[in-house]
Amino acid sequence: DGGITQSPKYLFRKEGQNVTLSCEQNLNHDAMYWYRQDPGQGLRLIYYSQIVNDFQKGDIAEGYSVSREKKESFPLTVTSAQKNPTAFYLCASSGRTGTNTEAFFGQGTRLTVV
Amino acid sequence: QQQVKQSPQSLIVQKGGISIINCAYENTAFDYFPWYQQFPGKGPALLIAIRPDVSEKKEGRFTISFNKSAKQFSLHIMDSQPGDSATYFCAASWTGRRALTFGSGTRLQVQP
Repeated sequence: DGGITQSPKYLFRKEGQNVTLSCEQNLNHDAMYWYRQDPGQGLRLIYYSQIVNDFQKGDIAEGYSVSREKKESFPLTVTSAQKNPTAFYLCASSGRTGTNTEAFFGQGTRLTVV
Repeated sequence: QQQVKQSPQSLIVQKGGISIINCAYENTAFDYFPWYQQFPGKGPALLIAIRPDVSEKKEGRFTISFNKSAKQFSLHIMDSQPGDSATYFCAASWTGRRALTFGSGTRLQVQP
């Protein structure tokens, strides 16, 4: 089935550790996105990538890093510099940039700092 | 400029009633306005979307009304059902940045 796969579904991190969240899509989409969702709040953009080997900071990029070495993969690393990483992380992808195309979301990764 | 303001924060509607959620934006460059539905623990899914060249779009029980001069758009859910109970997000994007900017969400509860 075509779609976006995020893993793991739940992730626990000790303070001071870096963790990497996986996002893979088989929709042949050019653009991919990472959002953070906190309880009772909307989705805030962390990073986005419109083509392979290129990405841009979103509205809350501090403490996060990404890579886009393959079209189908866009992993997100939550570094120890992120002060409050506990949140629900959502990955999305969309078709050709520059047009109004639907963004498809994965099922999310819930990250908890212990 | 990138903000999208959404209201109300929560909404309780009786089965068969009309649910109305409102959004407002500042960035006049926005040219795509989707609504997403999210169930607990799941990713959002596109419900319906509109471009600013039309004032209304209807798909089944869901209608978007768009007022370009007021920079506002709203979602109307007709004949609301308990299965519609979810969180709804409005969003917007523009050609210069296709990444969506989301509203803060509305938690809808439809009572049987």
